[in-house]
Amino acid sequence: EVQLLESGGGLVQPGGSLRLSCIASGFTFSSYAMSWVRQPPGKGLEWVSGISASGGGTYHADSVRGRFTISRDNSKNTLYLQMNSLRVEDTAVYYCAKSTEQLWNSDYWGQGTLVTVSS
Amino acid sequence: DIVLTQSPATLSLSPGERATLSCRASQSVGSYLAWYQQKPGQAPRLLIYDASNRATGIPARFSGSGSGTDFTLTISSLEPEDFAVYYCQQRTNWPITFGQGTRLEIK
Repeated sequence: EVQLLESGGGLVQPGGSLRLSCIASGFTFSSYAMSWVRQPPGKGLEWVSGISASGGGTYHADSVRGRFTISRDNSKNTLYLQMNSLRVEDTAVYYCAKSTEQLWNSDYWGQGTLVTVSS
Repeated sequence: DIVLTQSPATLSLSPGERATLSCRASQSVGSYLAWYQQKPGQAPRLLIYDASNRATGIPARFSGSGSGTDFTLTISSLEPEDFAVYYCQQRTNWPITFGQGTRLEIK
């Protein structure tokens, strides 16, 4: 059974940092691209960052480029999102998601971790 | 960025009725369009990928069609569990983008 378990969310002040983690199990983690998708409270979905299976390719939305960094450790089956210079508008539930063979379609999602940026 | 516009914003129907949801892209996405369902408090679920392919375990009452800039998700006969928010998503160009969602509610 595929499982994705996010952690690392919480309350942080504007300008602060957080690192999200997503531990994967039930599939060959190193064979699939992964993504972070966020959802502000009561709003729609926004793709934040994606990373290739090997980790050699990374992609970030304009809204987070230069502040967020996606990475992965295939030896630990873990996906990361380092978030710096956080803004109030970064407040959201952050989901990690596994790509299908068709790159960037996401067939499995974690339960989400809430990041709240507030003073 | 490719903008996806979903219509209607809200669709009110009764169980057993047919639902037709639309997604229009600001430029061609070929067939690289997916549909997701999201229920309150849950993560999204992949329904349709590459415009017309049902994901694993998705009932046959869900179907997708379209190419280029105009796409449709059809639910042939609504079940009570189908009332949710539906999002389209393109993967043609980075950044990956979602539509703003269509809320399917019980009439």
